[in-house]
Amino acid sequence: EIVMTQSPLSLPVTPGEPASISCNSSQSLLHGNGYNYLDWYLQKPGQSPQLLIYLGSDRASGVPDRFSGSGSGTDFTLKISRVEAEDAGVYYCMQALQPPLTFGGGTKVQIK
Amino acid sequence: QVQLVQSGAEVKKPGSSLKVSCKASGGTFLNYHIAWVRQVPGQGLEWMGGIIPVLRSAHYAQTFQGRVIITTDESTATSYMELKNLRVEDTGVYYCARAGEPKRLDAFDFWGQGTMVTVSS
Repeated sequence: EIVMTQSPLSLPVTPGEPASISCNSSQSLLHGNGYNYLDWYLQKPGQSPQLLIYLGSDRASGVPDRFSGSGSGTDFTLKISRVEAEDAGVYYCMQALQPPLTFGGGTKVQIK
Repeated sequence: QVQLVQSGAEVKKPGSSLKVSCKASGGTFLNYHIAWVRQVPGQGLEWMGGIIPVLRSAHYAQTFQGRVIITTDESTATSYMELKNLRVEDTGVYYCARAGEPKRLDAFDFWGQGTMVTVSS
């Protein structure tokens, strides 16, 4: 099983400032087809998770361009260029290279 | 627009079984990975297993192996997650989610509203 580790656990941010979340995997998520099978999800309070980024860096439909994903192999980063109040919630990375799919423990973004 | 609508909240006794449904509408069903994800109160997301209906075979997380069965009914575009021998620690919210591209495991772009399950004696 691939173990996913996120940091930090909690991230207080000021609106308008950037934010960055790290995700590491215990095995490379780089498939032979050249894609990294790493997703990012945001779960807002009281809601179902929503997809932000897939294949490591592709933004899902409707996701604002202030969100970006980067990284390859075992090290990945989600960046928010300028945090807005609506970005509060828990962010999860998830590997989809092979079953069992596994999530990171989550990073709680709190707006100051 | 694809919608996933799950069955309602359940209260169960320890040792009993649970069956949650997830009905898809507004899009194709057969070729897409349907996953079941659990969230225990105050904790993170946990993939329980998933199935691509046209392939008919499911994968399960080791944690749930032997206790969970995921099935689909193509005629009604519904997926079911059955969890047996319930424990108090199975209390939580159960989500279904659909992958973004046919026959791929990743990018869950549609989620059900969640089903709250309480296991208590």
